[in-house]
Amino acid sequence: DGGITQSPKYLFRKEGQNVTLSCEQNLNHDAMYWYRQDPGQGLRLIYYSQIVNDFQKGDIAEGYSVSREKKESFPLTVTSAQKNPTAFYLCASSIDISQETQYFGPGTRLLVL
Amino acid sequence: QKEVEQNSGPLSVPEGAIASLNCTYSDRGSQSFFWYRQYSGKSPELIMSIYSNGDKEDGRFTAQLNKASQYVSLLIRDSQPSDSATYLCAVGDTGGFKTIFGAGTRLFVKA
Repeated sequence: DGGITQSPKYLFRKEGQNVTLSCEQNLNHDAMYWYRQDPGQGLRLIYYSQIVNDFQKGDIAEGYSVSREKKESFPLTVTSAQKNPTAFYLCASSIDISQETQYFGPGTRLLVL
Repeated sequence: QKEVEQNSGPLSVPEGAIASLNCTYSDRGSQSFFWYRQYSGKSPELIMSIYSNGDKEDGRFTAQLNKASQYVSLLIRDSQPSDSATYLCAVGDTGGFKTIFGAGTRLFVKA
């Protein structure tokens, strides 16, 4: 069964703590993306990756970091530098960077304690 | 800053009616356009994509694109309570590899 998985579903962060959100896909897609969604707002692009070992900053990359060591995996770390991390985080993938149809994982909701 | 604008709603229609959702975009060079449906607490799912001026139909859904007016719409015929969701309009960015999302229109279909 092909798709995108994200874990955990809910994540709680203490002040000053770094946390990592997992995103895995078995669709054999080259391109992967991380978005942040706040209530009443559209999806905002954090980072994207066209291919393994390559990634680019999106519109709101400050306070976040990513890696792309495997084609299937694109984890996102929310660092302590991100002062307002409470949001719904969505991972997506597409066949390649030019195929703009993106398929989304189920999302991770991050809350600050 | 390239933008995609949608009326936030809520748009309320009775069951069986046609729901009309509208979207305008600022990037005149955009070539790809998408409608996603997002249920509360869930992730977006693609409903339709459209690339050429005119209408594209898929079941009860019709996407309409007018590049000259920088306008894209989604019509939902025979609306059902299960169509109640937020509908996101998304537009491909000509300047790079990004897709720009609108904030969404909330649709409520009354039984």
